[in-house]
Amino acid sequence: NAGVTQTPKFQVLKTGQSMTLQCAQDMNHEYMSWYRQDPGMGLRLIHYSVGAGITDQGEVPNGYNVSRSTTEDFPLRLLSAAPSQTSVYFCASSYNARTSSTDTQYFGPGTRLTVL
Amino acid sequence: AQTVTQSQPEMSVQEAETVTLSCTYDTSESDYYLFWYKQPPSRQMILVIRQEAYKQQNATENRFSVNFQKAAKSFSLKISDSQLGDAAMYFCASGGANAGGTSYGKLTFGQGTILTVHP
Repeated sequence: NAGVTQTPKFQVLKTGQSMTLQCAQDMNHEYMSWYRQDPGMGLRLIHYSVGAGITDQGEVPNGYNVSRSTTEDFPLRLLSAAPSQTSVYFCASSYNARTSSTDTQYFGPGTRLTVL
Repeated sequence: AQTVTQSQPEMSVQEAETVTLSCTYDTSESDYYLFWYKQPPSRQMILVIRQEAYKQQNATENRFSVNFQKAAKSFSLKISDSQLGDAAMYFCASGGANAGGTSYGKLTFGQGTILTVHP
């Protein structure tokens, strides 16, 4: 049981490049989310999903796309990277309380992205 | 919409002493959860404690306890018998719940409080 995994751990991009941050969980969680963490601002929600095929925007969705074709995977795509997207990105997942006694959101180890 | 405010950017405590971290929130959700997360230098987000808003009783987890004042929208974290390993950034967070009482997993975080523990 690996929990929530994210790849890569570090990435440097040039302005205008595109890339995909990968996130996978092996806990059969229904809910998955992407956050970004900037200094002094805590974590902010980018996009989230309540199940395969269902996604919605969070607080700061501009410049990012997501899709959820399987329960396990929730990739985050940067279409045209900008320096303002330099941040640490966290993926998280949580279990449906209807089938579990716990309701904890599990976080991946994060990806540090630098856009030059 | 939800907002979470942590008014203490930094706090310090002596080892074995008690420290309280403050958090206030505002939410339009009728049912919601409140959380405290710890983030050590490793960057990993670790759940410290959670509180379901419909429960009157304050949550406790070993040396960690909360003071949940629903009317005042306050959710403070008390760390007793502080240890060097408690040094970290602490985040307060809130999230709405669906009709079944399940947290959506859409969390709103505060700005964080850096806790330093002195030996």
